[in-house]
Amino acid sequence: KQEVTQIPAALSVPEGENLVLNCSFTDSAIYNLQWFRQDPGKGLTSLLLIQSSQREQTSGRLNASLDKSSGRSTLYIAASQPGDSATYLCAVKRADSWGKLQFGSGTQVVVTP
Amino acid sequence: EAQVTQNPRYLITVTGKKLTVTCSQNMNHEYMSWYRQDPGLGLRQIYYSMNVEVTDKGDVPEGYKVSRKEKRNFPLILESPSPNQTSLYFCASSLDGLDYEQYFGPGTRLTVT
Repeated sequence: KQEVTQIPAALSVPEGENLVLNCSFTDSAIYNLQWFRQDPGKGLTSLLLIQSSQREQTSGRLNASLDKSSGRSTLYIAASQPGDSATYLCAVKRADSWGKLQFGSGTQVVVTP
Repeated sequence: EAQVTQNPRYLITVTGKKLTVTCSQNMNHEYMSWYRQDPGLGLRQIYYSMNVEVTDKGDVPEGYKVSRKEKRNFPLILESPSPNQTSLYFCASSLDGLDYEQYFGPGTRLTVT
C-alpha cells in the first residue's frame, strides 16, 4: 500500500530564505507527482506536476525534483516571501490505478517578514 | 473564468437526512473527483469519474454515492449522513485524469449533528 509522508509538518523561515519541502512515498510505481498549495479555508491550487519520466519541473521561483527510485520529491521555493505562507501538499498518482490520487499530510509554512 | 464550483459552501444537517453536494466545472474536463479533508488524516479520495457514466471508488467510498450523467456535473450524495461524515469536502477536475493537473473547488464544510 502506498504511503505518502511529508516531514516536517510545520516550519517557519525568515523572508528571503530558500524553502525546501520534502515528500516521500513508499511505492516507486507512480505515474506522476503533483505539488499543491492550500491557503487557510480555501481549496487547493496546483503548483507543479512532474511525470514519472521527469527529474524536475520549474515554474518561476518554484522548482520540484523527483527521484522515483528513492521515493522522494523536493519542492524548492527560492527567496521566500510572506505571501508564500500556506500549507504545501504533495500527491502521487499510482501507476496501477490512474484515477486515484494519494496525498501527503502537508507541511505548514510560515514566512516571517 | 475557468473554475470548479461547489454548492453549498457550508451545510449543517442532522443524522439520516439525505443531502447532495453539487460540483460543476466549465473546462470540459473528462475527469472529476471528490475528496474529504480531516485534521490528522489529510485529504482522502472518495470517488472519481474518468468520463460520463464511468465512476470508481477511491479510498473512502463508504456512505457516499456519486453519479456522472453530464460531463460538467459530478454530485456527491449522502443517503443517510452520520456524524463521522462531518468534514471538509473538495471536488476536483482534470482534463484527462492522467497527465494533467487537477483543479480544485473551494470546498464544502459539512457538519452532521
